[in-house]
Amino acid sequence: EDKVVQSPLSLVVHEGDTVTLNCSYEVTNFRSLLWYKQEKKAPTFLFMLTSSGIEKKSGRLSSILDKKELFSILNITATQTGDSAVYLCAVPLAGGTSYGKLTFGQGTILTVHP
Amino acid sequence: EAGVAQSPRYKIIEKRQSVAFWCNPISGHATLYWYQQILGQGPKLLIQFQNNGVVDDSQLPKDRFSAERLKGVDSTLKIQPAKLEDSAVYLCASSFQGTQYFGPGTRLLVL
Repeated sequence: EDKVVQSPLSLVVHEGDTVTLNCSYEVTNFRSLLWYKQEKKAPTFLFMLTSSGIEKKSGRLSSILDKKELFSILNITATQTGDSAVYLCAVPLAGGTSYGKLTFGQGTILTVHP
Repeated sequence: EAGVAQSPRYKIIEKRQSVAFWCNPISGHATLYWYQQILGQGPKLLIQFQNNGVVDDSQLPKDRFSAERLKGVDSTLKIQPAKLEDSAVYLCASSFQGTQYFGPGTRLLVL
């Protein structure tokens, strides 16, 4: 059975700190890994990673994938209170001509204090 | 571009009652998903549609849950009868080229 594990489960930091969130996976037929940010509503898409070693960057957020060691990290630099959210890592079950269900990790709850 | 639309946003019912949720995916997205997210957990897939056909409903509790996407666009998810453990957020998503985009969700509370 596909498995996605995130760590830490929760993290409390102060504004300006840098955080690193981890996601490890065990899946068959790996194609991609996705990161989502979830506040008090639906998950919003952050990154999709398919290739090892290529960093994806969006503002203060960046993410990289290691397909050999089967993990990904999400970095947030100069954190702000608006970064407080649950960060979800997910891997799609690939099959056929369309992507299958997403297997999600349990999420990392990030709290940024002023 | 309009996102995934869901309604209602909140619903409170008593156990053994019935409830239905509606989803309108992003225009042109052939694949539609319903997820259940229990507090403190990641979303769990209930059912996946490709156009109006079911691709995966292996985790759908079929004795009480049903879903349809008759014309390959909008979808409805029904629970009948509801149990206390069905209290959760029900998320609808549609996908394009491997990326799933989520709607705002329906928060269900079963008393």
